[in-house]
Amino acid sequence: AQTVTQSQPEMSVQEAETVTLSCTYDTSESNYYLFWYKQPPSRQMILVIRQEAYKQQNATENRFSVNFQKAAKSFSLKISDSQLGDTAMYFCAFMTSGETSGSRLTFGEGTQLTVNP
Amino acid sequence: GAVVSQHPSWVICKSGTSVKIECRSLDFQATTMFWYRQFPKQSLMLMATSNEGSKATYEQGVEKDKFLINHASLTLSTLTVTSAHPEDSSFYICSAREAASGAFQETQYFGPGTRLLVL
Repeated sequence: AQTVTQSQPEMSVQEAETVTLSCTYDTSESNYYLFWYKQPPSRQMILVIRQEAYKQQNATENRFSVNFQKAAKSFSLKISDSQLGDTAMYFCAFMTSGETSGSRLTFGEGTQLTVNP
Repeated sequence: GAVVSQHPSWVICKSGTSVKIECRSLDFQATTMFWYRQFPKQSLMLMATSNEGSKATYEQGVEKDKFLINHASLTLSTLTVTSAHPEDSSFYICSAREAASGAFQETQYFGPGTRLLVL
């Protein structure tokens, strides 16, 4: 079974600064996908960034980037130039790409990020 | 693109009644839809996976007779909470996976959620 661990229940950062959210996972699969979703106070889940395990290059989406370390099973999210709108709960998620296990997302416990003015 | 809607956004009902929640993929076809439950300040808990035209697959501990799921078309899945009780009060979220093949076929897109309060 796959597990996803987010060891930081809460974090805060000053506006315009950079913050890194950590995520580790455990799997015996070799092909899989990793995601970061954010859930703002509205509770709408929003995809932030996506990484395929077979790609060595770290994914980047504007101010959001990941540090994917496959051997260490680590998938951290870096938010640059933090904005007040980045305040949200951030969930790290894992999905295998194999047919037998389907396409189920396994979520971490979440990290509540607060961006302070 | 990739918008998922849910209706209603919130509902209050009396204990013993049934409540139906709709989940629609608005601009894509979804072969697979997922239903999650989320308690305050907790992560999402997968309840069931539904594939269009077939029976839903429920997670261990989820009562299939209580949480009826129907995935009648490639754009609509419904969750019916039957004989609701106060302990069923929660935030229910659906997500959909696009049917089309391609680089992002594994990505799930989420609806805005439905708050259910059972009195």
